[in-house]
Amino acid sequence: NAGVTQTPKFQVLKTGQSMTLQCAQDMNHEYMSWYRQDPGMGLRLIHYSVGAGITDQGEVPNGYNVSRSTTEDFPLRLLSAAPSQTSVYFCASKPLKGHEQYFGPGTRLTVT
Amino acid sequence: AQSVTQPDIHITVSEGASLELRCNYSYGATPYLFWYVQSPGQGLQLLLKYFSGDTLVQGIKGFEAEFKRSQSSFNLRKPSVHWSDAAEYFCAVGRSNDYKLSFGAGTTVTVRA
Repeated sequence: NAGVTQTPKFQVLKTGQSMTLQCAQDMNHEYMSWYRQDPGMGLRLIHYSVGAGITDQGEVPNGYNVSRSTTEDFPLRLLSAAPSQTSVYFCASKPLKGHEQYFGPGTRLTVT
Repeated sequence: AQSVTQPDIHITVSEGASLELRCNYSYGATPYLFWYVQSPGQGLQLLLKYFSGDTLVQGIKGFEAEFKRSQSSFNLRKPSVHWSDAAEYFCAVGRSNDYKLSFGAGTTVTVRA
């Protein structure tokens, strides 16, 4: 049972490039979410999903796309990276009826 | 809307001294409350959680927190800190009617010898 996994751990992009941050969980959790962490701001919710085929926006969704084709995977896409997207990204999951979210190890993204 | 406030950005404490980190939230109903710790360059580790019942909850690493409904607070305490407790601490609040988790801005704890 690996829990929540994220790849890559580190990434450097140039402005305008696109990429996908991967998130997978093996706990059969319905709910999955993406957060970004910036100094002095805690973690802010980007997008979330309550099941395959269902996604919704969080607090800071602009510049990011998500999809949920399977229960296990919830990738986060940056279509055209901007320096303002330099951050640490965390994926989390939980059972729909549970309260505790389980976090992945994070991806540190730098956009130059 | 809900918000989470951690009034102290940075706290310095001597090794062996007690530690208290403050957390206040705004939410009408009973929230689900969490404290996470993040060591430099690491992910988030859950210290403790409150869902219901006894308002004093025990967590890992000798931490405890008390839920005070009248003060909308969930302060974290440790009687005697160790150098390894130097980290950033986040309070988080979940609501009963949706799935979102709101985080405070975090408190950085420095432990001096």
